[in-house]
Amino acid sequence: DTGVSQDPRHKITKRGQNVTFRCDPISEHNRLYWYRQTLGQGPEFLTYFQNEAQLEKSRLLSDRFSAERPKGSFSTLEIQRTEQGDSAMYLCASSLALATHNEQFFGPGTRLTVL
Amino acid sequence: AQSVTQPDIHITVSEGASLELRCNYSYGATPYLFWYVQSPGQGLQLLLKYFSGDTLVQGIKGFEAEFKRSQSSFNLRKPSVHWSDAAEYFCAVGALAGTASKLTFGTGTRLQVTL
Repeated sequence: DTGVSQDPRHKITKRGQNVTFRCDPISEHNRLYWYRQTLGQGPEFLTYFQNEAQLEKSRLLSDRFSAERPKGSFSTLEIQRTEQGDSAMYLCASSLALATHNEQFFGPGTRLTVL
Repeated sequence: AQSVTQPDIHITVSEGASLELRCNYSYGATPYLFWYVQSPGQGLQLLLKYFSGDTLVQGIKGFEAEFKRSQSSFNLRKPSVHWSDAAEYFCAVGALAGTASKLTFGTGTRLQVTL
């Protein structure tokens, strides 16, 4: 399977714990995006990388959130001191920056539940 | 700022009936427009996209959408709905490729298909 993969698919944690999610983009894609989707809403942009550089961060990304893409391949999204409001589906997408069309391919998501 | 409005939260149609899902966007320049479908517990799958040219675009699974600049709309249509089309549908607008290319999504329309 050469699509976008995310791990884990589900995560249940207690309030105050730290969690980390991983995203593996399509191999030749140099752009990687993180979105958050809460129940009944569409995905909301969090941040994106071009290669290893984090080029844009949403105001939704509080100080407790950090994302990395150290070698320009996979990315991790860490949430520190989780809160119940962090419960959501976290979606990763990738695209090819040089493509004329900004088509983003999405992974299956990581569903986070904070108790 | 770009935005997307999907006025219908929930639509129910009978199998074999035609379907139209509404999408209105706000964007300062020529928009890149997308329709994605999301089945329960799954990521987003691209149905179709509009960048330029013919305002009627064809997508996968028999879907089509028409871009109407004067109405700032990009409605999704299907002439005959199948039970397997039941899912959540998201309209999204994006910036030009090669620039800040995050997608802004609507809140989605949940499609229910009755047999």
